[in-house]
Amino acid sequence: GDSVTQMEGPVTLSEEAFLTINCTYTATGYPSLFWYVQYPGEGLQLLLKATKADDKGSNKGFEATYRKETTSFHLEKGSVQVSDSAVYFCALKGNTNAGKSTFGDGTTLTVKP
Amino acid sequence: GAGVSQSPSNKVTEKGKDVELRCDPISGHTALYWYRQSLGQGLEFLIYFQGNSAPDKSGLPSDRFSAERTGGSVSTLTIQRTQQEDSAVYLCASSLFDRNIQYFGAGTRLSVL
Repeated sequence: GDSVTQMEGPVTLSEEAFLTINCTYTATGYPSLFWYVQYPGEGLQLLLKATKADDKGSNKGFEATYRKETTSFHLEKGSVQVSDSAVYFCALKGNTNAGKSTFGDGTTLTVKP
Repeated sequence: GAGVSQSPSNKVTEKGKDVELRCDPISGHTALYWYRQSLGQGLEFLIYFQGNSAPDKSGLPSDRFSAERTGGSVSTLTIQRTQQEDSAVYLCASSLFDRNIQYFGAGTRLSVL
């Protein structure tokens, strides 16, 4: 079945540091890939997505590129801020199951001033 | 409504009691999902509703768990004879059928004593 493996946390960075959170997946066909973010005390919200190979999703300074050859969708940001402190979830929606999405375990990011 | 609404936001119950959790999806969204998020873990898919189709119940962990969706809108997740291992945050999400983005509620935090 489909699966998502993301970098274990927690991750602690200083403000303005470079961020990478690794995500790899297993799925049949050509899934859509997502990063969701959960800020403290809030529900999950979509951060960015990519629906086909080589697509780059971007939002709020975050980027992730859909790499079919390495089955990866790593999240990056060049300069993190304290306000980026949150839990980040990588997810996929495959083509073989109409509704079910598969989420990674989440990576907690803490950015210190 | 403006977003996905879940109630109650917190629920404390005694072991063996039944609980009902409610989800009001975004108006017009035909797809509705329930997930469970245990402490420090990722999202566990529970059940998915799409329009008038039979729900995908493949994620329900036991027959103590059930869900219904009335009139294609509001959904109720029921847990019978609650156990301590049921303690978690229960998240609801909705989406338009022809899009993959899920919009999440803030969740219901269930504590079984």
